[in-house]
Amino acid sequence: AQSVTQLGSHVSVSEGALVLLRCNYSSSVPPYLFWYVQYPNQGLQLLLKYTTGATLVKGINGFEAEFKKSETSFHLTKPSAHMSDAAEYFCAVSLMNTGFQKLVFGTGTRLLVSP
Amino acid sequence: NAGVTQTPKFQVLKTGQSMTLQCAQDMNHNSMYWYRQDPGMGLRLIYYSASEGTTDKGEVPNGYNVSRLNKREFSLRLESAAPSQTSVYFCASSDERLNTEAFFGQGTRLTVV
Repeated sequence: AQSVTQLGSHVSVSEGALVLLRCNYSSSVPPYLFWYVQYPNQGLQLLLKYTTGATLVKGINGFEAEFKKSETSFHLTKPSAHMSDAAEYFCAVSLMNTGFQKLVFGTGTRLLVSP
Repeated sequence: NAGVTQTPKFQVLKTGQSMTLQCAQDMNHNSMYWYRQDPGMGLRLIYYSASEGTTDKGEVPNGYNVSRLNKREFSLRLESAAPSQTSVYFCASSDERLNTEAFFGQGTRLTVV
């Protein structure tokens, strides 16, 4: 069965520093991979996704992620953190079964940004 | 463009009470889902519906029932609420034919006392 592991329930960075949120997956078939962001008291919003094609994926708000099949990873990065990036981030893998897709989520990483 | 709409946003129940969480989407998606979110556990799938008229259990279905009323609406019912069902519930929808992402509602924060 597919699964997602996010390393670190909390990550703290200073404003302007590099953001790196780690995600590893397991899947018996080529995966579709997603990063979602959740701001306080809100629903989940898609940051970026990998389905096929280019392995470096750019998303909203300056985030990007690289699909590395050999490492089964899909880490999320941003060169320079902003205070507004403070939120919880979820990595997810989709299950494709006879054309039906549903998401399996990691446990989330809360990003804290200090001035 | 409303997307996915959930009602209510907040609810407090007493143990043993029943209630239905409502979800509607206006994106003509075939697939709809109910997740619960608990601290340190991410989002876990309760039930899903691949198309109108079909529903299937997810990872944590016990204590819940669902109804896919039509293509737009997918409701989640708690027949006899328990404190362990205190959680934030999210409804989502997707169109898997286009390999698009799932779109989420704003969530329902449920407390069972």
